[in-house]
Amino acid sequence: DAGVIQSPRHEVTEMGQEVTLRCKPISGHNSLFWYRQTMMRGLELLIYFNNNVPIDDSGMPEDRFSAKMPNASFSTLKIQPSEPRDSAVYFCASSLAGFTYEQYFGPGTRLTVT
Amino acid sequence: KNEVEQSPQNLTAQEGEFITINCSYSVGISALHWLQQHPGGGIVSLFMLSSGKKKHGRLIATINIQEKHSSLHITASHPRDSAVYICAVVGGGADGLTFGKGTHLIIQP
Repeated sequence: DAGVIQSPRHEVTEMGQEVTLRCKPISGHNSLFWYRQTMMRGLELLIYFNNNVPIDDSGMPEDRFSAKMPNASFSTLKIQPSEPRDSAVYFCASSLAGFTYEQYFGPGTRLTVT
Repeated sequence: KNEVEQSPQNLTAQEGEFITINCSYSVGISALHWLQQHPGGGIVSLFMLSSGKKKHGRLIATINIQEKHSSLHITASHPRDSAVYICAVVGGGADGLTFGKGTHLIIQP
C-alpha cells in the first residue's frame, strides 16, 4: 500500500481565499483523523471519522473549518475564508479502528496564508 | 482534560548512549502512543501501549498505568535516531488524542 496520501504538499494562499486539503487513507482503515501542528500549540486533533461518519469535531477551531468524508477512500478539510493564523502543517492519519490502533500519518500539507 | 508532560524537552547525547524519554499524564487513559517526527516533518508511529512493555529493534516502550507514566528507551543510540519524540494519550476525560509537547533528541556522532 502507498500509505496515507495527502495533497497538496505545500499551499500558499492569500488571506480570505478558500483552501481545500485532501487525504486518501490506507485501504481497509475505518478511521481517519485530521491534525494540525504549529510551533506554539504542537499537534492538535481537529476531527476524526469512523466509517466515514464524523465522530468528534470539537477540535475544529471555528466555523471557517469544515471536513467531509464522502467515501472510505477520500476526505477533505476546507478552510473558508483562510486567515494568517491558519498557517500550519496539517496531517491526515488513518487507523484500522479508532485511537487504540496504530495510526499511520500522511506526509502533511504545509499551509501558508499571507 | 488530561495534562501530558514530557521530559526532558531537549536532549543531546553521544552515539551509543542509552536514552530515556519520559511521559506523565494526569488522568487515567486507555492507551498511549509514542510517535517519532523526523527533521523533514514526517510522523511515524513507534508504539501503541495499553499495559506492560513493547520492544522493536533498539526501541523499548513501557507503561505503568498505576503511576500514570510511560518511558521510551533507545539502546545503542545512533545519529539517525535524532528526531522529536511525541507522547500522546487516549481517553482520560477527553475524546481523541492529547499530545505532549515532544522531546527534541540529538545524537552526536
